[in-house]
Amino acid sequence: KAGVTQTPRYLIKTRGQQVTLSCSPISGHRSVSWYQQTPGQGLQFLFEYFSETQRNKGNFPGRFSGRQFSNSRSEMNVSTLELGDSALYLCASSLNHPGTDTQYFGPGTRLTVL
Amino acid sequence: GESVGLHLPTLSVQEGDNSIINCAYSNSASDYFIWYKQESGKGPQFIIDIRSNMDKRQGQRVTVLLNKTVKHLSLQIAATQPGDSAVYFCAETTNEKLTFGTGTRLTIIP
Repeated sequence: KAGVTQTPRYLIKTRGQQVTLSCSPISGHRSVSWYQQTPGQGLQFLFEYFSETQRNKGNFPGRFSGRQFSNSRSEMNVSTLELGDSALYLCASSLNHPGTDTQYFGPGTRLTVL
Repeated sequence: GESVGLHLPTLSVQEGDNSIINCAYSNSASDYFIWYKQESGKGPQFIIDIRSNMDKRQGQRVTVLLNKTVKHLSLQIAATQPGDSAVYFCAETTNEKLTFGTGTRLTIIP
């Protein structure tokens, strides 16, 4: 079974631009969660989607948004990029409930904001 | 607020020895704990998990111990190998989301 895939793997943007990242979960997994990883803040939860609905949200500004499609694939968008948004963005999928089902991570998208 | 913390940021272990990585958690309501391994340039990789109704779980060369009385979690790696070099994170699940510790970097000395 293929693992979680994320595209693109690397992105370079400038301040003020927006970016869209994509995540394809493991086949059969319906829950997709997004995390931001930085050296200073570690791994922080962004949001979780299930059946095309945002079910849970972390403490990030509204510039960070996401969505999920009917095939469980998910995208996240960051608008009006800031230097501090430079990070590794990780997607994780689980069967149904991240609280009880194991989350499996993709390789991440490395975003650099100049 | 609630947090998951690691006692040591770095750990150096001789190849072949056993490694023990510790983690403290503060949310007594957490009922599912996971250890992840993250190698450079990769996403976190699932190692082993444990639920709050257990105090020990074993996998291949790894054992997780959970002490709910003192809110402590540990990961034991037997016969550490060079491929075990990575950052190890503990994570607790509360309210359907993972809260990660800061991570411990495990370095294997040949």
